[in-house]
Amino acid sequence: GQNIDQPTEMTATEGAIVQINCTYQTSGFNGLFWYQQHAGEAPTFLSYNVLDGLEEKGRFSSFLSRSKGYSYLLLKELQMKDSASYLCAVLADSWGKLQFGAGTQVVVTP
Amino acid sequence: NAGVTQTPKFRILKIGQSMTLQCTQDMNHNYMYWYRQDPGMGLKLIYYSVGAGITDKGEVPNGYNVSRSTTEDFPLRLELAAPSQTSVYFCASSYLPDSNYGYTFGSGTRLTVV
Repeated sequence: GQNIDQPTEMTATEGAIVQINCTYQTSGFNGLFWYQQHAGEAPTFLSYNVLDGLEEKGRFSSFLSRSKGYSYLLLKELQMKDSASYLCAVLADSWGKLQFGAGTQVVVTP
Repeated sequence: NAGVTQTPKFRILKIGQSMTLQCTQDMNHNYMYWYRQDPGMGLKLIYYSVGAGITDKGEVPNGYNVSRSTTEDFPLRLELAAPSQTSVYFCASSYLPDSNYGYTFGSGTRLTVV
């Protein structure tokens, strides 16, 4: 079957680092996306990994291991505005059909 | 650039009523998608389109229909609304799916069927 797993919730302190893990089992793989979604808003694109390794974008980094079916999103120097749901999504074909995990709610505390 | 525009933002329907959720994009993207998002669940694909005149079913198409007569517009039709269709609906578009462009999402339509 097809499965994308990520933790339901994580809590961290302002200024700290949080790592959100995502494991996947899908019938195909054309890349993995991370999206950020604030409550009541639309998801916004954070990162795309198609090759193994680490992609860094400012305070956010994303890692992929295709052989392990594993990715993580690393959020550094956490700010209160980073409190949101983070969605892991696998692109399983070339038509752009994304399969989403249920999302990880990150709560940043002062 | 407006991006992806969805209307309405909120709607309450009675069981058995029909409605059309509108979605339009001004980025000349060929790829467009409709997703629904239920609490605690990931987004599920309802229908998608890879260009004007071409549509196909996603994971959860039952009770919905779509058309794509122009590149810009991708309306979603609900016939005979049921409580199970209570959800938040997102329309999205993409220039090149397997790339760093990602998707651009509309702001969503929150639908309640009572």
